[in-house]
Amino acid sequence: AQSVTQLGSHVSVSEGALVLLRCNYSSSVPPYLFWYVQYPNQGLQLLLKYTTGATLVKGINGFEAEFKKSETSFHLTKPSAHMSDAAEYFCAVTGGNQGGKLIFGQGTELSVKP
Amino acid sequence: EAGVVQSPRYKIIEKKQPVAFWCNPISGHNTLYWYLQNLGQGPELLIRYENEEAVDDSQLPKDRFSAERLKGVDSTLKIQPAELGDSAVYLCASSLGWHATDTQYFGPGTRLTVL
Repeated sequence: AQSVTQLGSHVSVSEGALVLLRCNYSSSVPPYLFWYVQYPNQGLQLLLKYTTGATLVKGINGFEAEFKKSETSFHLTKPSAHMSDAAEYFCAVTGGNQGGKLIFGQGTELSVKP
Repeated sequence: EAGVVQSPRYKIIEKKQPVAFWCNPISGHNTLYWYLQNLGQGPELLIRYENEEAVDDSQLPKDRFSAERLKGVDSTLKIQPAELGDSAVYLCASSLGWHATDTQYFGPGTRLTVL
């Protein structure tokens, strides 16, 4: 079975500050990991994904995440927050014989203060 | 390129009434997914289609929910009868292939309110 835990349902940062959203996963098979962003009344948009290879993954809008197998983590970071980054962020895992079945965390709402 | 289209965007119904949601995936995408998103939660897979075949419907409550994907393109998700607990956002997604690494593209969702 696979699962995802996102630490902190709400994170608030100041504009220009570092963004760090935490994600830990559980998987009995090599995982594929994803970060999605959801703006109000919109669908989810892929930020980045880890499948194989390089463990530091760069995505859109300046976000990146690092796969750390020893820590079973896939934390999302951005060096400098912008007001437009305010949204809900979801970490998801799949792999093995799950096909395309994504298992999502409960989400982290990011607020950015001026 | 057009994204995943869903309609209606919002639906309000009385309990025990039927309701249907429609999804048009990205052109050429063979795999289609329906997810349920409760307030404050991440999406949960209801059913996954590869072309016309439902390959994973283990999370679909079959006593009241049904889905179809005729001709392997558009899909419809139906609830009959609706219950208060069905109030949620129903998301449709599509991907080019069926592999776990294929990116899933999501539609804007249908927000269902059951009174």
